[in-house]
Amino acid sequence: DIQMTQSPSSLSASVGDRVTITCRASQSISNYLNWYQQKPGKAPNLLIYTASSLQSGVPSRFSGGGSGTDFSLTISSLQPEDFATYYCQQSYTTPWTFGQGTKVEVK
Amino acid sequence: EVQLVQSGAEVKKPGESLRISCKGSGYTFTNFWVTWVRQLPGKGLEWMGRIDPSDSYTNYSPSFHGHVTLSIDKSINTAYLQWSSLQASDTAIYYCARDKRVGVVNSFDPWGQGTLVIVSS
Repeated sequence: DIQMTQSPSSLSASVGDRVTITCRASQSISNYLNWYQQKPGKAPNLLIYTASSLQSGVPSRFSGGGSGTDFSLTISSLQPEDFATYYCQQSYTTPWTFGQGTKVEVK
Repeated sequence: EVQLVQSGAEVKKPGESLRISCKGSGYTFTNFWVTWVRQLPGKGLEWMGRIDPSDSYTNYSPSFHGHVTLSIDKSINTAYLQWSSLQASDTAIYYCARDKRVGVVNSFDPWGQGTLVIVSS
């Protein structure tokens, strides 16, 4: 199985901050990488697909980058509704696998 | 509106069987795989497997293969996840999601609201 490792596991930030989360794959996955946001008590929601494509309806402050083994999710200016847990997920080969999650908390 | 609606929470005893459901609407159900994801209490997301509604072809994660069964009733646009013998360690929230392919990359959108399964004696 491809292992996905996110860092950090959690971070504290303030509204307006620029936040970057990284995701590393245990082998090259080209751009077969998606990002999801999950708020407490809710289902995950797709933010970014194919590493850098913004899902329809997702604010433009979210952006994704990277290829191969190293990827990033950036929130350019953190908003109150962005405090949540973020997961990367590879779809290069089954079993599809997720990172362990990064919790973005209020500083 | 494309949506997946899951069945309600369940409380079962160890050894009991269970089937939960996921009904798709707002799209052609047979055109997209349905994927299932487990979330243990307070933990991350684990992909369990997926099923092609057009022909019921399945693709399981090795971690779940043999412990759960995925099935489809395409006449009512519904996918199922079932257990023949539950264990306490199956206590979790289970999500279904439309497994869509854009180009060569699969992603999950949208997701069902989740079904909480509690297994306790």
